[in-house]
Amino acid sequence: NAGVTQTPKFRVLKTGQSMTLLCAQDMNHEYMYWYRQDPGMGLRLIHYSVGEGTTAKGEVPDGYNVSRLKKQNFLLGLESAAPSQTSVYFCASSYAGDNSPLHFGNGTRLTVT
Amino acid sequence: GENVEQHPSTLSVQEGDSAVIKCTYSDSASNYFPWYKQELGKGPQLIIDIRSNVGEKKDQRIAVTLNKTAKHFSLHITETQPEDSAVYFCAASPNSGYSTLTFGKGTMLLVSP
Repeated sequence: NAGVTQTPKFRVLKTGQSMTLLCAQDMNHEYMYWYRQDPGMGLRLIHYSVGEGTTAKGEVPDGYNVSRLKKQNFLLGLESAAPSQTSVYFCASSYAGDNSPLHFGNGTRLTVT
Repeated sequence: GENVEQHPSTLSVQEGDSAVIKCTYSDSASNYFPWYKQELGKGPQLIIDIRSNVGEKKDQRIAVTLNKTAKHFSLHITETQPEDSAVYFCAASPNSGYSTLTFGKGTMLLVSP
């Protein structure tokens, strides 16, 4: 079991460029999440999904889009990157929404110049 | 929505000492309180959790206490070891519908040999 795998691990973008972060889980989990982690800000939820084909907004969704076309994958898109989106992005999954433990990937460090 | 405050932001202890990290929450509907440990370069990992029908829970050297009246919960680590050095996050969630976790800002624990 690989658990939760995020690609890429590192990326540098210029302002205005677009990119997609990929998250894959092999635990057959229903719920998937995207968080961003910034110094002194903790983990903030961007978007999440409660099942294949569903998405919902979290605390800080502006500037991001997501898709969950397959149960095992959750994609995070930045259409026009801004320096404020420089962050470490974490994907997580959980078996269900009834406070099942979150399983996190090892993160993607994104720098927008 | 829920607001979780975590203190202190940094904590330095000597090996063998105890460490205590405290969190307060605002939403009286919250009834699930997990703690996550994040080692350098990795995603957070669940180390212990507590639900509102329990006042205290122990797992070897770690314990969590909950005071629902005062809306605060704490993580206690006894006999600290250098490998306990990490960032610790508390979180809170109501157990209703598609509830999601709200995280505190984190505590960096440094255990010196």
